[in-house]
Amino acid sequence: DAKTTQPNSMESNEEEPVHLPCNHSTISGTDYIHWYRQLPSQGPEYVIHGLTSNVNNRMASLAIAEDRKSSTLILHRATLRDAAVYYCILRAINTGTASKLTFGTGTRLQVTL
Amino acid sequence: AAGVIQSPRHLIKEKRETATLKCYPIPRHDTVYWYQQGPGQDPQFLISFYEKMQSDKGSIPDRFSAQQFSDYHSELNMSSLELGDSALYFCASSLGRGNSEQYFGPGTRLTVT
Repeated sequence: DAKTTQPNSMESNEEEPVHLPCNHSTISGTDYIHWYRQLPSQGPEYVIHGLTSNVNNRMASLAIAEDRKSSTLILHRATLRDAAVYYCILRAINTGTASKLTFGTGTRLQVTL
Repeated sequence: AAGVIQSPRHLIKEKRETATLKCYPIPRHDTVYWYQQGPGQDPQFLISFYEKMQSDKGSIPDRFSAQQFSDYHSELNMSSLELGDSALYFCASSLGRGNSEQYFGPGTRLTVT
């Protein structure tokens, strides 16, 4: 499985944008970039995913570099409820299997007032 | 909206005992995944099922077995429990295989004494 590299931790002030980087220099052409987050004492939660183009949804935006070797998850206005561990995951698409999620160490985001 | 249901939420067992964890996926979801998260660790994939057939297998010990039933619920059976099996066990479900986002349950906390 291709690996991802994320900073161990980041801090943000509430109401400000947060940019969470992820490096995946060995990504293959069929790997989708997924982001999940895990709030304290909860199961992981899907955030967003993309292949080549930037993506937006109600939770966040995903900016993917042109060479796909890195991506950035953007939270437009961080709130205290966004404090979580954010995981950047490469998901190889094989329609013959239920594609697993391989969690790395993730980025622990702290949001302060 | 209905979410993934896991039972029990907490379970305490002694070494060498057996345990059965249950997972009820979101209605109409046909794919179930099991993950294990040890204390201070990131979630690790154990096994997945699609349409009641085993689809992918991760680092699941031979002492563990799982299946998906005709109503799509799944059970993880764990025998000869060891202290190291103490962890949070998450079940996730998705509609279809491949790139579908996974919805996680609240987890079952297993403590082996």
